[in-house]
Amino acid sequence: DAKTTQPPSMDCAEGRAANLPCNHSTISGNEYVYWYRQIHSQGPQYIIHGLKNNETNEMASLIITEDRKSSTLILPHATLRDTAVYYCIVKEADSWGKLQFGAGTQVVVTP
Amino acid sequence: EADIYQTPRYLVIGTGKKITLECSQTMGHDKMYWYQQDPGMELHLIHYSYGVNSTEKGDLSSESTVSRIRTEHFPLTLESARPSHTSQYLCASSTRLNEQFFGPGTRLTVL
Repeated sequence: DAKTTQPPSMDCAEGRAANLPCNHSTISGNEYVYWYRQIHSQGPQYIIHGLKNNETNEMASLIITEDRKSSTLILPHATLRDTAVYYCIVKEADSWGKLQFGAGTQVVVTP
Repeated sequence: EADIYQTPRYLVIGTGKKITLECSQTMGHDKMYWYQQDPGMELHLIHYSYGVNSTEKGDLSSESTVSRIRTEHFPLTLESARPSHTSQYLCASSTRLNEQFFGPGTRLTVL
Protein backbone atom coordinates (compact mmCIF):
# COMPACT_ATOMS: atom_id res chain seq x y z
CA ASP A 1 0.00 0.00 0.00
CA ALA A 2 1.17 3.53 -0.75
CA LYS A 3 2.64 5.52 2.12
CA THR A 4 1.19 8.90 3.10
CA THR A 5 2.79 12.01 4.58
CA GLN A 6 0.85 14.49 6.73
CA PRO A 7 1.93 17.47 8.83
CA PRO A 8 2.04 16.52 12.52
CA SER A 9 -0.20 19.36 13.65
CA MET A 10 -2.16 22.41 12.58
CA ASP A 11 -4.40 25.00 14.18
CA CYS A 12 -7.62 26.42 12.80
CA ALA A 13 -9.92 29.21 13.96
CA GLU A 14 -13.49 28.28 14.75
CA GLY A 15 -15.81 29.05 11.83
CA ARG A 16 -13.02 29.07 9.27
CA ALA A 17 -12.28 26.37 6.74
CA ALA A 18 -9.66 23.81 7.73
CA ASN A 19 -7.55 22.49 4.86
CA LEU A 20 -5.65 19.31 5.72
CA PRO A 21 -2.98 18.23 3.23
CA CYS A 22 -1.78 14.72 2.50
CA ASN A 23 0.96 13.54 0.16
CA HIS A 24 0.78 10.09 -1.41
CA SER A 25 3.24 10.26 -4.30
CA THR A 26 3.49 6.45 -4.70
CA ILE A 27 -0.25 5.88 -5.02
CA SER A 28 -1.23 3.32 -7.65
CA GLY A 29 -4.13 3.46 -10.05
CA ASN A 30 -6.54 1.30 -8.09
CA GLU A 31 -5.88 2.80 -4.66
CA TYR A 32 -8.39 5.04 -2.95
CA VAL A 33 -7.70 7.87 -0.52
CA TYR A 34 -9.50 7.48 2.83
CA TRP A 35 -9.80 10.00 5.63
CA TYR A 36 -10.61 9.15 9.22
CA ARG A 37 -10.47 11.16 12.41
CA GLN A 38 -10.12 10.28 16.07
CA ILE A 39 -11.44 12.51 18.78
CA HIS A 40 -9.62 12.09 22.07
CA SER A 41 -10.19 8.68 23.71
CA GLN A 42 -12.83 7.66 21.16
CA GLY A 43 -12.67 5.15 18.30
CA PRO A 44 -11.74 6.56 14.86
CA GLN A 45 -14.55 7.85 12.69
CA TYR A 46 -14.78 7.42 8.91
CA ILE A 47 -15.03 10.78 7.11
CA ILE A 48 -14.78 10.33 3.36
CA HIS A 49 -12.94 8.53 0.58
CA GLY A 50 -12.29 9.04 -3.13
CA LEU A 51 -10.44 7.68 -6.13
CA LYS A 52 -9.76 10.58 -8.49
CA ASN A 53 -12.82 12.81 -8.54
CA ASN A 54 -13.47 15.34 -5.81
CA GLU A 55 -15.96 14.12 -3.23
CA THR A 56 -18.25 15.90 -0.80
CA ASN A 57 -20.49 14.69 1.99
CA GLU A 58 -22.12 16.19 5.05
CA MET A 59 -18.85 16.17 6.97
CA ALA A 60 -16.19 17.30 4.53
CA SER A 61 -14.88 17.69 1.00
CA LEU A 62 -12.00 15.76 -0.52
CA ILE A 63 -9.92 17.35 -3.27
CA ILE A 64 -7.55 15.03 -5.13
CA THR A 65 -4.97 16.48 -7.51
CA GLU A 66 -5.08 15.44 -11.14
CA ASP A 67 -1.91 13.35 -10.80
CA ARG A 68 -3.37 11.84 -7.59
CA LYS A 69 -0.10 12.36 -5.73
CA SER A 70 -1.69 14.54 -3.08
CA SER A 71 -5.07 15.40 -1.63
CA THR A 72 -6.69 17.89 0.72
CA LEU A 73 -9.46 17.31 3.21
CA ILE A 74 -11.58 20.41 3.73
CA LEU A 75 -13.72 21.00 6.79
CA PRO A 76 -15.76 23.96 5.52
CA HIS A 77 -16.68 25.58 8.85
CA ALA A 78 -14.56 24.16 11.64
CA THR A 79 -16.10 23.86 15.09
CA LEU A 80 -14.49 23.10 18.44
CA ARG A 81 -15.84 19.54 18.10
CA ASP A 82 -13.65 19.05 15.02
CA THR A 83 -10.55 19.04 17.23
CA ALA A 84 -9.10 15.58 16.57
CA VAL A 85 -6.30 13.60 14.94
CA TYR A 86 -6.99 13.25 11.20
CA TYR A 87 -5.63 10.25 9.30
CA CYS A 88 -5.06 10.05 5.55
CA ILE A 89 -4.82 6.44 4.33
CA VAL A 90 -4.31 5.01 0.86
CA LYS A 91 -5.73 1.58 0.12
CA GLU A 92 -7.30 -0.51 -2.58
CA ALA A 93 -11.03 -0.29 -2.02
CA ASP A 94 -12.20 -3.76 -2.84
CA SER A 95 -9.45 -5.71 -1.16
CA TRP A 96 -9.22 -7.86 1.90
CA GLY A 97 -6.39 -5.85 3.40
CA LYS A 98 -6.45 -3.78 6.52
CA LEU A 99 -6.05 -0.01 6.87
CA GLN A 100 -2.67 1.25 8.05
CA PHE A 101 -3.13 4.17 10.44
CA GLY A 102 -0.07 6.40 10.71
CA ALA A 103 0.58 9.33 13.04
CA GLY A 104 -1.98 11.62 11.39
CA THR A 105 -2.39 15.38 11.83
CA GLN A 106 -3.45 16.77 15.20
CA VAL A 107 -5.95 19.53 14.39
CA VAL A 108 -6.81 22.00 17.13
CA VAL A 109 -9.74 24.33 16.52
CA THR A 110 -9.54 27.44 18.65
CA PRO A 111 -12.32 29.89 19.56
CA GLU B 1 -24.47 5.99 13.47
CA ALA B 2 -22.64 2.67 13.25
CA ASP B 3 -23.99 -0.32 15.14
CA ILE B 4 -20.87 -1.77 16.69
CA TYR B 5 -20.63 -2.45 20.38
CA GLN B 6 -17.88 -3.27 22.82
CA THR B 7 -18.10 -4.48 26.39
CA PRO B 8 -16.91 -3.77 28.93
CA ARG B 9 -15.99 -0.12 28.35
CA TYR B 10 -13.58 -0.15 31.28
CA LEU B 11 -11.92 -3.10 33.01
CA VAL B 12 -9.48 -3.18 35.91
CA ILE B 13 -8.18 -6.64 36.66
CA GLY B 14 -5.37 -8.38 38.47
CA THR B 15 -2.36 -10.10 36.92
CA GLY B 16 -2.93 -13.68 35.80
CA LYS B 17 -6.67 -13.40 35.21
CA LYS B 18 -8.29 -14.59 32.00
CA ILE B 19 -10.34 -11.91 30.26
CA THR B 20 -12.53 -11.71 27.19
CA LEU B 21 -13.32 -8.43 25.46
CA GLU B 22 -16.58 -8.56 23.55
CA CYS B 23 -17.28 -6.97 20.19
CA SER B 24 -20.51 -7.22 18.21
CA GLN B 25 -21.82 -5.56 15.08
CA THR B 26 -25.28 -5.66 13.53
CA MET B 27 -24.35 -4.43 10.06
CA GLY B 28 -23.62 -7.84 8.57
CA HIS B 29 -20.01 -6.92 7.77
CA ASP B 30 -17.68 -9.78 6.90
CA LYS B 31 -14.48 -7.94 7.83
CA MET B 32 -13.70 -7.22 11.47
CA TYR B 33 -10.60 -5.93 13.24
CA TRP B 34 -9.00 -5.45 16.64
CA TYR B 35 -6.64 -2.53 17.22
CA GLN B 36 -4.55 -1.64 20.26
CA GLN B 37 -3.77 1.95 21.13
CA ASP B 38 -1.81 3.45 24.03
CA PRO B 39 -2.61 7.06 25.05
CA GLY B 40 -1.29 9.56 22.52
CA MET B 41 0.14 6.82 20.33
CA GLU B 42 -0.76 5.30 16.97
CA LEU B 43 -3.33 2.60 16.39
CA HIS B 44 -1.83 -0.83 15.83
CA LEU B 45 -3.72 -3.69 14.20
CA ILE B 46 -3.45 -6.88 16.29
CA HIS B 47 -6.06 -9.19 14.72
CA TYR B 48 -8.45 -9.26 11.79
CA SER B 49 -11.01 -11.54 10.24
CA TYR B 50 -12.34 -11.90 6.71
CA GLY B 51 -15.44 -13.80 7.84
CA VAL B 52 -16.67 -16.75 9.88
CA ASN B 53 -13.87 -19.16 10.87
CA SER B 54 -11.24 -16.77 9.46
CA THR B 55 -8.74 -15.04 11.76
CA GLU B 56 -5.35 -13.50 11.06
CA LYS B 57 -2.68 -11.82 13.15
CA GLY B 58 -2.11 -8.13 12.53
CA ASP B 59 1.01 -6.01 12.33
CA LEU B 60 1.63 -5.80 16.07
CA SER B 61 2.43 -9.02 17.86
CA SER B 62 -0.08 -9.72 20.60
CA GLU B 63 -0.50 -12.48 23.17
CA SER B 64 -4.25 -12.24 22.75
CA THR B 65 -6.36 -14.61 20.66
CA VAL B 66 -9.59 -14.11 18.74
CA SER B 67 -12.40 -16.23 17.36
CA ARG B 68 -15.07 -15.70 14.72
CA ILE B 69 -17.81 -18.29 15.08
CA ARG B 70 -20.60 -15.90 14.06
CA THR B 71 -20.49 -13.02 11.60
CA GLU B 72 -21.62 -10.49 14.16
CA HIS B 73 -19.32 -11.50 17.00
CA PHE B 74 -15.51 -11.13 17.27
CA PRO B 75 -14.31 -11.59 20.86
CA LEU B 76 -10.70 -11.11 22.00
CA THR B 77 -9.26 -13.21 24.82
CA LEU B 78 -6.21 -12.85 27.05
CA GLU B 79 -5.51 -16.13 28.85
CA SER B 80 -3.34 -14.55 31.53
CA ALA B 81 -3.42 -10.77 31.79
CA ARG B 82 -0.22 -8.87 32.60
CA PRO B 83 0.47 -5.17 33.30
CA SER B 84 2.02 -4.90 29.82
CA HIS B 85 -1.46 -5.59 28.38
CA THR B 86 -2.75 -2.33 29.84
CA SER B 87 -4.05 -0.36 26.85
CA GLN B 88 -7.15 0.64 24.92
CA TYR B 89 -8.58 -2.04 22.62
CA LEU B 90 -10.69 -0.91 19.68
CA CYS B 91 -12.88 -3.18 17.57
CA ALA B 92 -13.99 -2.29 14.05
CA SER B 93 -15.90 -3.74 11.12
CA SER B 94 -15.87 -2.61 7.52
CA THR B 95 -17.85 -2.53 4.34
CA ARG B 96 -16.54 -4.01 1.12
CA LEU B 97 -15.13 -0.57 0.26
CA ASN B 98 -13.09 -0.44 3.48
CA GLU B 99 -15.23 2.11 5.28
CA GLN B 100 -14.35 1.04 8.82
CA PHE B 101 -16.73 1.61 11.70
CA PHE B 102 -15.24 1.57 15.17
CA GLY B 103 -16.68 0.66 18.51
CA PRO B 104 -16.23 2.88 21.59
CA GLY B 105 -13.27 0.83 22.82
CA THR B 106 -12.38 -1.05 26.00
CA ARG B 107 -9.88 0.58 28.32
CA LEU B 108 -8.03 -2.25 30.08
CA THR B 109 -5.89 -1.82 33.17
CA VAL B 110 -4.00 -4.79 34.56
CA LEU B 111 -2.64 -4.34 38.06
